[in-house]
Amino acid sequence: GENVEQHPSTLSVQEGDSAVIKCTYSDSASNYFPWYKQELGKGPQLIIDIRSNVGEKKDQRIAVTLNKTAKHFSLHITETQPEDSAVYFCAAGTSYDKVIFGPGTSLSVIP
Amino acid sequence: GAGVSQSPRYKVAKRGQDVALRCDPISGHVSLFWYQQALGQGPEFLTYFQNEAQLDKSGLPSDRFFAERPEGSVSTLKIQRTQQEDSAVYLCASSSPPAGTKITYEQYFGPGTRLTVT
Repeated sequence: GENVEQHPSTLSVQEGDSAVIKCTYSDSASNYFPWYKQELGKGPQLIIDIRSNVGEKKDQRIAVTLNKTAKHFSLHITETQPEDSAVYFCAAGTSYDKVIFGPGTSLSVIP
Repeated sequence: GAGVSQSPRYKVAKRGQDVALRCDPISGHVSLFWYQQALGQGPEFLTYFQNEAQLDKSGLPSDRFFAERPEGSVSTLKIQRTQQEDSAVYLCASSSPPAGTKITYEQYFGPGTRLTVT
């Protein structure tokens, strides 16, 4: 089955700097790669997703890149703000009924 | 509009007790998912419903776990004879892929139920 790894497990950046989180997946059939943000006491919330037919997607300060050959994808957050502090999860899915989550990255943005 | 709601938000059970966790998905959402999230970990898939049909229950850790969605809307996750290792946050998510498609779409998560087994 699919296995998703994520690095780093914790990340601390100064406000205004960029943050990068990297994930790898094992199943070459995976074709859907969402990123979720989870704040304390809340459920995960989708922030951006990418499908295997594109290599990069951007939404304001957030961008995701996908390298299908290497089976890895990354989340880039620019101009970080304190409200970006949360746990971020990458995930990979091969079908409509299941996505597999990575272990998460705890991001702290220091004012 | 209302999002996914779950109840109770917190549940403390003594080892051996049965518990029932409820999920109200977004109205009209066809797909419903249950996940288990241990402390400091990512959500782990438990089971998936499309309307009232349970199409995948491969993630349920044991036969003590049972999920149902009898009318294709509200779902209940039941855990019998709870054990300490069942302590976790149980997340419910719903999704609404266009009819006839099998493309994965955004899952909307509820706030979760934190289960503590003592």
